[in-house]
Amino acid sequence: DTGVSQNPRHKITKRGQNVTFRCDPISEHNRLYWYRQTLGQGPEFLTYFQNEAQLEKSRLLSDRFSAERPKGSFSTLEIQRTEQGDSAMYLCASTRTGETQYFGPGTRLLVL
Amino acid sequence: QKEVEQDPGPLSVPEGAIVSLNCTYSNSAFQYFMWYRQYSRKGPELLMYTYSSGNKEDGRFTAQVDKSSKYISLFIRDSQPSDSATYLCAITQGGSEKLVFGKGTKLTVNP
Repeated sequence: DTGVSQNPRHKITKRGQNVTFRCDPISEHNRLYWYRQTLGQGPEFLTYFQNEAQLEKSRLLSDRFSAERPKGSFSTLEIQRTEQGDSAMYLCASTRTGETQYFGPGTRLLVL
Repeated sequence: QKEVEQDPGPLSVPEGAIVSLNCTYSNSAFQYFMWYRQYSRKGPELLMYTYSSGNKEDGRFTAQVDKSSKYISLFIRDSQPSDSATYLCAITQGGSEKLVFGKGTKLTVNP
């Protein structure tokens, strides 16, 4: 499978715990995006990378959220001190400059 | 006013019907228009991608863009039960800039 992969697919955690998600983009895609989707809503942009550089962050990305793409390949999204409002599907997408975005299957987070 | 407005439905049609899904947007700077299909608990899957005003056809799917009215549509001909999903419109200013999504329209095609 050469599509975007995300791990884990599901995560249940208690409020206050830290969680980390991983995204592996399609090979040779230089751009990588993170989105968050809550029930009944479309995905909302969080942040994106071009190679290893983080070029834009949404106001939705509070100080508790951090994303990295250290070698310009896979990316991680960490949420510290999780809150119940962080419960959502976290989607990763990748693309080459000038092309459309392809999404992974998402990581579904439930904060109890 | 949200940047992209999409009626969330739900929409229920019989098999074989023609389905029309629509979005409006507010910012004329948006240049690229996409439709994604999302099955329950899955990631969005790209269906159609258009740039200019007019129609683009791919099998049973036709995407229509009217930039003067800031209105985009997706038509599905001969709808099938396997088309049952949530359809998301997405727009962007540049070819690989962040996507702005509508809420999605949940479609059910009944056999």
